[in-house]
Amino acid sequence: KAGVTQTPRYLIKTRGQQVTLSCSPISGHRSVSWYQQTPGQGLQFLFEYFSETQRNKGNFPGRFSGRQFSNSRSEMNVSTLELGDSALYLCASSTDSGGDTQYFGPGTRLTVL
Amino acid sequence: GENVEQHPSTLSVQEGDSAVIKCTYSDSASNYFPWYKQELGKRPQLIIDIRSNVGEKKDQRIAVTLNKTAKHFSLHITETQPEDSAVYFCAARTISGYALNFGKGTSLLVTP
Repeated sequence: KAGVTQTPRYLIKTRGQQVTLSCSPISGHRSVSWYQQTPGQGLQFLFEYFSETQRNKGNFPGRFSGRQFSNSRSEMNVSTLELGDSALYLCASSTDSGGDTQYFGPGTRLTVL
Repeated sequence: GENVEQHPSTLSVQEGDSAVIKCTYSDSASNYFPWYKQELGKRPQLIIDIRSNVGEKKDQRIAVTLNKTAKHFSLHITETQPEDSAVYFCAARTISGYALNFGKGTSLLVTP
C-alpha cells in the first residue's frame, strides 16, 4: 500500500496570510491526526478526524482548523499566519483509534516570513 | 491532560553499547505507548509499541518495558550501531482520547 502523503512538502508564506495543507491517508485508514513539530515544543497534537468528524482537539488557537472528506483525505487550515506558526506539520493515519498504530506522512514544512 | 516527560534529551554511546531512554506519564488511564524514531529530514517511524496489559516487549535489538504502577516506560537498544543515530520519541495515549502525547525527544548519537 502507498504510505501517507502530504502536499505541499514546502510552503513559504507571509504574516497574515492563510494556508491549507493536505493529507492523504493510507488506503483503508479512516482516522487522520495532525501534529505540529517545532524544535522547542516537539510534537504537539492539533486535532484528529474520523469519518469526517473531529473527535479531539489539542490546545491550539481557533486559527487552526481542519476537516476530513468522505474519502478520508484531510485538510488543515491556518488563518492569519504568525511567525510562530513556522513548523513541520505532520499528519498520521490509522485504521481506527482503538490503539492502532499511527503512520506518519513526510510532513509539510511551513515557513512564515 | 496527559503529560509525557522524556530523559535524557541527548545521549551519546559507543557502537556496541546499550542505550536506554526513559519516559514518565501522568495519566493513569493511558493504555498505549509507542516509540518513534525520526532521522534527520525524515518522518517519524514506529519502532516498537506496548499496551498496558503487557510489561515488556522485544523486537531483535529493541525492547520496551512498562511499569504501570510507577507510570514509566523505557526503550532499550542493545548492540547499538551508527545507523541507530536519530531522535527517538516516546508517546502515550489515554483510553478515552485519540491523540498521542509525545515526549520532547532524545537525540541519540552512536559513535563508531
